[in-house]
Amino acid sequence: DAEITQSPRHKITETGRQVTLACHQTWNHNNMFWYRQDLGHGLRLIHYSYGVQDTNKGEVSDGYSVSRSNTEDLPLTLESAASSQTSVYFCASSPRQGLYNEQFFGPGTRLTVL
Amino acid sequence: SQQGEEDPQALSIQEGENATMNCSYKTSINNLQWYRQNSGRGLVHLILIRSNEREKHSGRLRVTLDTSKKSSSLLITASRAADTASYFCATNDGGSNYKLTFGKGTLLTVNP
Repeated sequence: DAEITQSPRHKITETGRQVTLACHQTWNHNNMFWYRQDLGHGLRLIHYSYGVQDTNKGEVSDGYSVSRSNTEDLPLTLESAASSQTSVYFCASSPRQGLYNEQFFGPGTRLTVL
Repeated sequence: SQQGEEDPQALSIQEGENATMNCSYKTSINNLQWYRQNSGRGLVHLILIRSNEREKHSGRLRVTLDTSKKSSSLLITASRAADTASYFCATNDGGSNYKLTFGKGTLLTVNP
């Protein structure tokens, strides 16, 4: 069955370190998204991509980067982790065809920055 | 910025009762979607309503959309303990834009 996976599921790191969170989907979806979820803020969009070599900034992109070298993967990199980036991170994907598309979410990565 | 804002933030009911959650948004939309999140899990899509639709049903779910008031409601009928979860509305403004803007969610607790 097609799915979307995230790794690692839990990560503890130190301030200043570079961290990469992986997202892999097997639906062959063109659209992929990264969100962070924090208490009191709901889900906020970090970066998104509508296809290979396409990346765009979302609402809270400072301190994060993404790259899209193939359809299946959209890794999220924290260049220099900060305590404010402690959060739960969700990856999602959706097809590009059609006008009305639901998003399919991964299980999330809980990141703690000490 | 948050587009959808759910109300109430938390709702506690007994099994068998109906649960109603509301969502308000600020700008024009192409469609509005509702998602459920069980504790510690990713979000799961429940239902999508287009801007030219007023009401939609799916099983025990009923969604209404009032574009003049920029609001939507999600009704879960005959609730079950398994419906305990957070519920989020998300809006899409259409065109070539596939992004969703999520609200902060309503935490629903259904007591057995």
